[in-house]
Amino acid sequence: QSVLTQPPSVSAAPGQKVSISCSGSTSNIGEQYVSWYHQLPGTAPKLLIFDNYKRPSGIPDRFSGSKSGTSATLDITGLQTGDEADYYCATWDTSLSVVVFGGGTKLTVL
Amino acid sequence: QITLKESGPTLVKPTETLTLTCTFSGFSLSTIGVAVGWIRQSPGKAPEWLALIYWNDDKRYSPSLKRRLTITKDTSKNQVVLTLSNMDPVDTATYYCAHSPVFATYDYWGQGTLVTVSS
Repeated sequence: QSVLTQPPSVSAAPGQKVSISCSGSTSNIGEQYVSWYHQLPGTAPKLLIFDNYKRPSGIPDRFSGSKSGTSATLDITGLQTGDEADYYCATWDTSLSVVVFGGGTKLTVL
Repeated sequence: QITLKESGPTLVKPTETLTLTCTFSGFSLSTIGVAVGWIRQSPGKAPEWLALIYWNDDKRYSPSLKRRLTITKDTSKNQVVLTLSNMDPVDTATYYCAHSPVFATYDYWGQGTLVTVSS
């Protein structure tokens, strides 16, 4: 049972937009920055978003992040079949003193 | 270009101590603010953060595993070593090391190494 709650799966058609939510608490998302990663099967997680909304160089602006209160959201626009992957949110939890990851969301591009 | 690569045994027996080495290039662990962390992922599960070591040798451990974990660095060799004692089958996972430029963020990851715990 993860401290951060994500929907197990989301789906949308190519070209459409999808949002993935990440719900936490005051001891994590509420007062810490959120990162987002995606992971293709058999590969390491890849950083998409850090500090709630910042993109590392090379990450297209189709990926955007936001945070409100104790929840964060990853939006992906212009969906491509190559976006099919598992997506994880992550942040520091001040009560647990550990980086916590969400349970993951599997994105299917129909 | 930053790269990291994990190395170590692929199979360990229960009660043994796992020693993994992360060899990196493209950055220095003597640069202020830089850190290297270890994260593991059991098959079909979310990643689990294990430990982190900073440029100034400050260390952080997952509280649930702290008694079993040790993280060290050799700046001259560009290596970070993680040991996990008293291995159990539940510790079977892919172990990753990753570069951390800012707090709780990992921008470059190694390819990971699958460690199986079995007698």
